[in-house]
Amino acid sequence: GDSVTQMEGPVTLSEEAFLTINCTYTATGYPSLFWYVQYPGEGLQLLLKATKADDKGSNKGFEATYRKETTSFHLEKGSVQVSDSAVYFCALNLNQAGTALIFGKGTTLSVSS
Amino acid sequence: GAGVSQSPSNKVTEKGKDVELRCDPISGHTALYWYRQSLGQGLEFLIYFQGNSAPDKSGLPSDRFSAERTGGSVSTLTIQRTQQEDSAVYLCASSLRGPTYNEQFFGPGTRLTVL
Repeated sequence: GDSVTQMEGPVTLSEEAFLTINCTYTATGYPSLFWYVQYPGEGLQLLLKATKADDKGSNKGFEATYRKETTSFHLEKGSVQVSDSAVYFCALNLNQAGTALIFGKGTTLSVSS
Repeated sequence: GAGVSQSPSNKVTEKGKDVELRCDPISGHTALYWYRQSLGQGLEFLIYFQGNSAPDKSGLPSDRFSAERTGGSVSTLTIQRTQQEDSAVYLCASSLRGPTYNEQFFGPGTRLTVL
């Protein structure tokens, strides 16, 4: 069935390190792909999205490219900050009537100074 | 309102009791979603409303779970005869129209603890 798989955490990095969080998906049709972030004590927020193959979503220094050939949507940031510490969720939307988001299990990122 | 609101923010109940969780979506959003976030399970979809009707109830885990939406706005998720495995954070989201290509905005969640 349709699903999202993202790398297990926790991911622990020092400030200014390079970040990659892997995400792959299985889906029929032409899904849209998303990264959501949940900061400590807060609700889920959309971080970035891509609606078709080869689109690159970007926000707050984070980027992810929709790769249909590898069914991937890896999240990257060149230089992380302590304030990026959060749980990151990869998700897809099948874009079919009556369906909602399918989420990965989440990856906890901890950045130390 | 400015964002999706949920109440209560925390609920502690005893096993076997019924609970009601409320979601107030962003004004004008026609679609509303309930998800459950529990340790080890990630985020699970529960139910989706388009207006007052629920085209997709496939995620409701058992017949103890039900939800309704009235007036195309506020929604209530009801869990009857709560069990310890129902302990989780229940998240509500809304989108301007249906799920197709529409961003979902999430509320802060209700943390439910069943003792």
